[in-house]
Amino acid sequence: GQNIDQPTEMTATEGAIVQINCTYQTSGFNGLFWYQQHAGEAPTFLSYNVLDGLEEKGRFSSFLSRSKGYSYLLLKELQMKDSASYLCAVQNYGGSQGNLIFGKGTKLSVKP
Amino acid sequence: GAVVSQHPSRVICKSGTSVKIECRSLDFQATTMFWYRQFPKQSLMLMATSNEGSKATYEQGVEKDKFLINHASLTLSTLTVTSAHPEDSSFYICSAPEGFTEAFFGQGTRLTVV
Repeated sequence: GQNIDQPTEMTATEGAIVQINCTYQTSGFNGLFWYQQHAGEAPTFLSYNVLDGLEEKGRFSSFLSRSKGYSYLLLKELQMKDSASYLCAVQNYGGSQGNLIFGKGTKLSVKP
Repeated sequence: GAVVSQHPSRVICKSGTSVKIECRSLDFQATTMFWYRQFPKQSLMLMATSNEGSKATYEQGVEKDKFLINHASLTLSTLTVTSAHPEDSSFYICSAPEGFTEAFFGQGTRLTVV
C-alpha cells in the first residue's frame, strides 16, 4: 500500500530553525514534494527532490534519502507567517504524471 | 510561473442541486488535470484524473455519476457535483502538471451544501 507519515503538529519560536520529517512507503517513486498550505487555501509549492541530498532555496531546504524512504523540510529564521500546514507528497510513477500522494500534513505554529 | 485558476472560490448550494467547478490553466496547456478533495484536518485525496478528449479516470470509492468531469479543451477541466448532499461539503482543489517537476494548484473551492 501507500503510506506517508509526518508529525501532526509542531511548535517553534520565531527566529528559530525547525525540521519537519516525512517517511514514505509507496509502490513507485518519481520524486517528493513539499507544499505549504494556509488554512482554507490551496497548497503552494516549496520544493522537489528526486535525487538523494539537500536542496536549498532561501530559508527553506529539503533533504531526501531514497534508500531510507525519508525526507525532511528545514525552515530557518522562522517568521510568524510560516505558521501553516506543511504537506509531504510523493509522486507515484505508477500513476499518471503529476499524480501526488499526500501525507496528512504537519501543522506548524510559530510563536513570538 | 504557471498559473491555474479555479472558480468559484466559495459556493453554497441547497441539497439536491448541482454545482459546477471550473479549473483553467492560464498560460500552459494541460492534457491532464487532477481533482482533489480535502475534508477538515485531513490530507488531500485524489478523486479523479481528467484527460483532455477522453474519459476521466476515477479513484476507488469515487462515484463517477455523481462527480462528473469534463475536459473539453487543453486549458479547461470542469467538475460537476450532481445532486449534492451535506456530506459532499468539502474543499475541492484542482491541479495541473507542467513538465515533470511541478504540479500547480488552483485556489480551491469551498463547497457548502445546506
